[in-house]
Amino acid sequence: AQTVTQSQPEMSVQEAETVTLSCTYDTSESDYYLFWYKQPPSRQMILVIRQEAYKQQNATENRFSVNFQKAAKSFSLKISDSQLGDAAMYFCAYRSAEGTSGSRLTFGEGTQLTVNP
Amino acid sequence: NAGVTQTPKFQVLKTGQSMTLQCAQDMNHEYMSWYRQDPGMGLRLIHYSVGAGITDQGEVPNGYNVSRSTTEDFPLRLLSAAPSQTSVYFCASSYGPGHAEQYFGPGTRLTVT
Repeated sequence: AQTVTQSQPEMSVQEAETVTLSCTYDTSESDYYLFWYKQPPSRQMILVIRQEAYKQQNATENRFSVNFQKAAKSFSLKISDSQLGDAAMYFCAYRSAEGTSGSRLTFGEGTQLTVNP
Repeated sequence: NAGVTQTPKFQVLKTGQSMTLQCAQDMNHEYMSWYRQDPGMGLRLIHYSVGAGITDQGEVPNGYNVSRSTTEDFPLRLLSAAPSQTSVYFCASSYGPGHAEQYFGPGTRLTVT
């Protein structure tokens, strides 16, 4: 079974600064997807960014980018120019690309990000 | 297009009571899933479905039943609620194989006293 680990329960950053959230995972599969989800106080789960394991290029979405290290099974999220609205719980998640496994996500424990003005 | 909807948003139950959490999607998604979220544990998969009439257990299925009679609906039933089922419940859906993203509903906060 796959596991996802987020070793930073809490992080803080100054507004306009850069912060990196860590995520490691364990799998024996070669084809899979990785995600970062944001959960603000509203509780809604919002997809921030995704990475396909077969792609060597790291995904980017505006101020959000990832550092995907497949051999090391590491998938960190970098938030540049942090804004107050980035304050939220962030979850790393894994999804197999095999068969019907696409219906199942495995989540990490979450990292609570605080943005200080 | 409402996306994924869940009802109710909040619910308080007494131990031993039963209830059904409703989930519906209007995107013609094949896959639907139920997760529970507890502090410090992220989201854990309860049950999932890969199409109408097909369901399977996830990581924490005990105490919950599901069925999927239509593509749109995927209700989660608690037959005899226990305090350990106090949690926030999320329903999610996605297109079939080859499509990565899951779309989440707004969640239901359930308290069992």
